[in-house]
Amino acid sequence: AQKVTQAQTEISVVEKEDVTLDCVYETRDTTYYLFWYKQPPSGELVFLIRRNSFDEQNEISGRYSWNFQKSTSSFNFTITASQVVDSAVYFCALSPNSGYALNFGKGTSLLVTP
Amino acid sequence: DVKVTQSSRYLVKRTGEKVFLECVQDMDHENMFWYRQDPGLGLRLIYFSYDVKMKEKGDIPEGYSVSREKKERFSLILESASTNQTSMYLCASSPLLGAGVNTGELFFGEGSRLTVL
Repeated sequence: AQKVTQAQTEISVVEKEDVTLDCVYETRDTTYYLFWYKQPPSGELVFLIRRNSFDEQNEISGRYSWNFQKSTSSFNFTITASQVVDSAVYFCALSPNSGYALNFGKGTSLLVTP
Repeated sequence: DVKVTQSSRYLVKRTGEKVFLECVQDMDHENMFWYRQDPGLGLRLIYFSYDVKMKEKGDIPEGYSVSREKKERFSLILESASTNQTSMYLCASSPLLGAGVNTGELFFGEGSRLTVL
């Protein structure tokens, strides 16, 4: 069985604060992919990152960074110096190697205020 | 620019009506998906298709059916709409890479918000 847990339902920060969105997953597969998607108020989900299970290197893309730790089955997402435009719902997702569809967490709603 | 287009952004239907939600992608992707999104529940998979005329049930297929007659088009059908099917419906597609590799990256449409009265 596959499961993705995003324990934080809503987070509110003030602009320029750093914020970390947590993602914990469960899978019996040895090969799998982890994702983060952003859903801004407009509604269309936007792909942010894909990470396969054999690559535990952390990744940084501008103000975004991801920390993948297989030992704790976590794939956390940090936004540094948050901005109002970061306000969105963020989804963590898991894809089994042999399957086609993503299993999504319930999402974390991030509100960044000026 | 890649595109997944859902035919209607907003629909209002009555209980018992037959509802068609259409989705078209222009990326020549093999895989297509229908999810519904509800507050507090996230995205839940209804059906997906990995080839023309092929379909697989997702986590919540009850009350829904799908049709994929052409590679670019994937339709979601509510045979007899009910109020508990009021939701945001999201269509997505993904490519099948070489040697059968499927990395699962999805491209989403803007969503169709359905209200059933």
